[in-house]
Amino acid sequence: QVQLVQSGAEVKKPGASVKVSCKASGYTFSNKYIHWVRQAPGQGLEWMGIINPSVGASTYAQTFQGRVTLTSDTSTSTVYMELSSLKSEDTAVYFCATYNWKSYFEYWGQGSLVTVSS
Amino acid sequence: IQLTQSPSSLSASVGDRVTITCRASQGISSYLAWYQQKPGKAPKVLIYGASTLQSGVPLRFSGSGSGTDFTLTITSLQPEDFATYFCQHLNGYPYTFGQGTKLEIK
Repeated sequence: QVQLVQSGAEVKKPGASVKVSCKASGYTFSNKYIHWVRQAPGQGLEWMGIINPSVGASTYAQTFQGRVTLTSDTSTSTVYMELSSLKSEDTAVYFCATYNWKSYFEYWGQGSLVTVSS
Repeated sequence: IQLTQSPSSLSASVGDRVTITCRASQGISSYLAWYQQKPGKAPKVLIYGASTLQSGVPLRFSGSGSGTDFTLTITSLQPEDFATYFCQHLNGYPYTFGQGTKLEIK
C-alpha cells in the first residue's frame, strides 16, 4: 500500500532553517509528483509547491519564493522540503501529498509539526 | 485564483442534509476537489473533478458545479461526518484551497 512517512516534529529559532523529509513506499517513486501543503494552528491549508521526483524539477508558490527548496533522492524514495529564514508565522504542520493525474491529492503524509520560537 | 467557501461554520444534526459552496474568482472548468479533515489528521479526498466520488467514499457525499460555482452536499449526516471540509482548485499553480467549513453537531 502507498505510504508517505514524514520526519518528526522540529523546534527552530527565528532565522534558522528546517528540512522536513517525506519517504514514499508502495509505488514507483518517479511516477507521482509530490506536493507540499502547510497548515498553521487552527487555520486552513496553504499550498507551498510541487516536485517531480524523477528529475527534481520544482515549482513554488510565490509566497515562499526564495525561502523554500524541494529536493528528491531517488535512491531512498524520499522528498525533502527545506524552509529558510524561519519566522514565528511559519509555525505549522507541513504535509506532503502525492498528485493523482485525475487532479487531486491522493495520498498524504501524517504531517510534521514545525514550531518556530525564540 | 481565490476560492471562497461558505459558510465558514455550520451546525447540523445527524440525519440532516447540508450543502457547502465554493466559488472561484475565475473559471476553473471542473478542476475542483473536496477534502474532509478531522483534528490531527491529514485531509482525505472525497470528490475530484467537481463531481466524481473517490473510491470508498460513502454515496451520501456528492459534488456538483463547473466554471466558478461548486457545491458539496452531504445527505443524511452521520456522526463521523462532523469535520472540516476544504475545496481546492487544480487549474494551474498555485493550487489554492478554500478557507474551510467546520461542520459541528447541533
